[in-house]
Amino acid sequence: RKEVEQDPGPFNVPEGATVAFNCTYSNSASQSFFWYRQDCRKEPKLLMSVYSSGNEDGRFTAQLNRASQYISLLIRDSKLSDSATYLCVVNQAGTALIFGKGTTLSVSS
Amino acid sequence: DAGITQSPRYKITETGRQVTLMCHQTWSHSYMFWYRQDLGHGLRLIYYSAAADITDKGEVPDGYVVSRSKTENFPLTLESATRSQTSVYFCASSERLAGDIAKNIQYFGAGTRLSVL
Repeated sequence: RKEVEQDPGPFNVPEGATVAFNCTYSNSASQSFFWYRQDCRKEPKLLMSVYSSGNEDGRFTAQLNRASQYISLLIRDSKLSDSATYLCVVNQAGTALIFGKGTTLSVSS
Repeated sequence: DAGITQSPRYKITETGRQVTLMCHQTWSHSYMFWYRQDLGHGLRLIYYSAAADITDKGEVPDGYVVSRSKTENFPLTLESATRSQTSVYFCASSERLAGDIAKNIQYFGAGTRLSVL
């Protein structure tokens, strides 16, 4: 089983749609969780950290379920500019971050 | 501007040549990382460093050498480049690898696109 697994997509949605991405991780000792965004041929950039209680940043909501070892990202009211690849990232204390392969989102008008 | 910079941004070389990719950060972050990104594989860790003179292998270290004589620099050397090392290379840095989640965030350079002919 891979350490961090994501549905690669692509997810093709119209503007204004709500879309959800899921991610599972294998190591129960994982402590930090993030969603990164990567635009085509550019560097990954932090979208948001994921806290145990769940957190929201504008149209983006992240949830963590430690019991199921599951992380989610919800995007509401999708914009054309949301088109990108979304990377699920986890780490255990003292080790480097582990990146999922990413989920590709394409938002169309 | 403060941040993390990589050079060169693009490099074409031939098999067997030695190539060094540079990475410089101005945040005084303790940790620095080198990744390669290929289609179908996502980001794979090559090497990382916890501090000056401390380095560790990642998932795919073969064929690469790193050094960290100064906190701010973390060069990656391909001692004898092979076609399979054609890739996009990203350098990243973070304050820590544990504790406060905000300090675990990795910040990436813009990448180096390397082609080995």
